[in-house]
Amino acid sequence: GESVGLHLPTLSVQEGDNSIINCAYSNSASDYFIWYKQESGKGPQFIIDIRSNMDKRQGQRVTVLLNKTVKHLSLQIAATQPGDSAVYFCAETGSGANSKLTFGKGITLSVRP
Amino acid sequence: DTAVSQTPKYLVTQMGNDKSIKCEQNLGHDTMYWYKQDSKKFLKIMFSYNNKELIINETVPNRFSPKSPDKAHLNLHINSLELGDSAVYFCASSHRTANEKLFFGSGTQLSVL
Repeated sequence: GESVGLHLPTLSVQEGDNSIINCAYSNSASDYFIWYKQESGKGPQFIIDIRSNMDKRQGQRVTVLLNKTVKHLSLQIAATQPGDSAVYFCAETGSGANSKLTFGKGITLSVRP
Repeated sequence: DTAVSQTPKYLVTQMGNDKSIKCEQNLGHDTMYWYKQDSKKFLKIMFSYNNKELIINETVPNRFSPKSPDKAHLNLHINSLELGDSAVYFCASSHRTANEKLFFGSGTQLSVL
């Protein structure tokens, strides 16, 4: 079946460095992509999203890149801070009215002081 | 005010019992969801309701019965609880469809003993 997955289960970065979290998806019909951050004991929190008609979108300290050719999505976090430590999820959905948001496996980002 | 609120936060119960989890959103959204997160943090959709109508029903045992009395509420009732039902259950909502960002509640940690 269709799947969305992450390449690495954990990522450890030094505070102040940039972080890159990668995600592969298999559904070529995916139209909308989104990154969530989940802190311990909390629900997933929206970070940034991108639609399939774009290949890059920037937010505050975060950038999402979409490569539809190889079905790859990445999240870049600039100047990583201790507060960025969390589990990150990529998710995707199609464009139909009854589409559902499918999540990839989470990756833990650990920021070293 | 919390946008998506669910109660209880923790639920500990014996096998065979029946329990309910309640969810309310004050965002004026049309669509609400239930997701299940397992011990490996994998998030999987269970149900989706749009304006009180069921639109997504994943392969979920019929011991799970969602109920939406109005579009701001989506409750989850579980009959004859089993050990494998232990997980964190998240309620979420979106403006119209899943082709836009979902707002998640803080989760209900269900432990079946």
